[in-house]
Amino acid sequence: SSELTQDPAVSVALGQTVRITCRGDSLRTFFASWYQQKPGQAPVLVIYGKNNRPSGIPDRFSGSSSGNTASLTITGAQAEDEADYYCNSRDSSGNHHVFGTGTKVTVL
Amino acid sequence: QLQLQESGPGLVKPSETLSLTCIVSGGSISSTDYYWGWIRQPPGKGLEWIGSMYYSGGTYYNPSLKSRVTISVDTSRNQFSLNLNSVTAADTAVYYCARDRKSMIYPSFDYWGQGTLVSVSS
Repeated sequence: SSELTQDPAVSVALGQTVRITCRGDSLRTFFASWYQQKPGQAPVLVIYGKNNRPSGIPDRFSGSSSGNTASLTITGAQAEDEADYYCNSRDSSGNHHVFGTGTKVTVL
Repeated sequence: QLQLQESGPGLVKPSETLSLTCIVSGGSISSTDYYWGWIRQPPGKGLEWIGSMYYSGGTYYNPSLKSRVTISVDTSRNQFSLNLNSVTAADTAVYYCARDRKSMIYPSFDYWGQGTLVSVSS
């Protein structure tokens, strides 16, 4: 079972803002990274570190963290942002990676 | 541009060993800044980290798979491999290799292979 919990699905109107959350005790110590996965494709890293975007990731993607919760915010969601999103961090021991349960984002 | 490419059989029989290789191009697997990892995704389900290794041979594995997993490296060929033994249908998944940024506090996988589907069936 995953130590990082995400809401299964969220929806957002085109151009509006959506926040995707990832909860787990280990997030009080370790930061989360975030991945976007479209059907039939490999995951793509969109946020890492405190709030860093790899080259080529639009600035409408941002990350934040508070307590046991990490968040990915899409400001001004576009149709192409419709995808599954996963968080990733360490487990409570700090010795292993763990992925969140995933959130399906629908852009209306 | 770094690229990773998985290769291996797409079908494995139950109780046998699943073996995959990840060829790294556009960068050195011997970099001191990274680990190299395997992640899998059963059909219709989420991502599961399998394990990661350092170029010098150090490894760390998902506790739930540790007894069946071996990850090894071949620096001369710039590639690393996954062996998962005693497979069952539950091991059917798309298997990805990825570069594991060597950070305890800020973990992430920044480059991924395209993935390869491995089915376990007789």
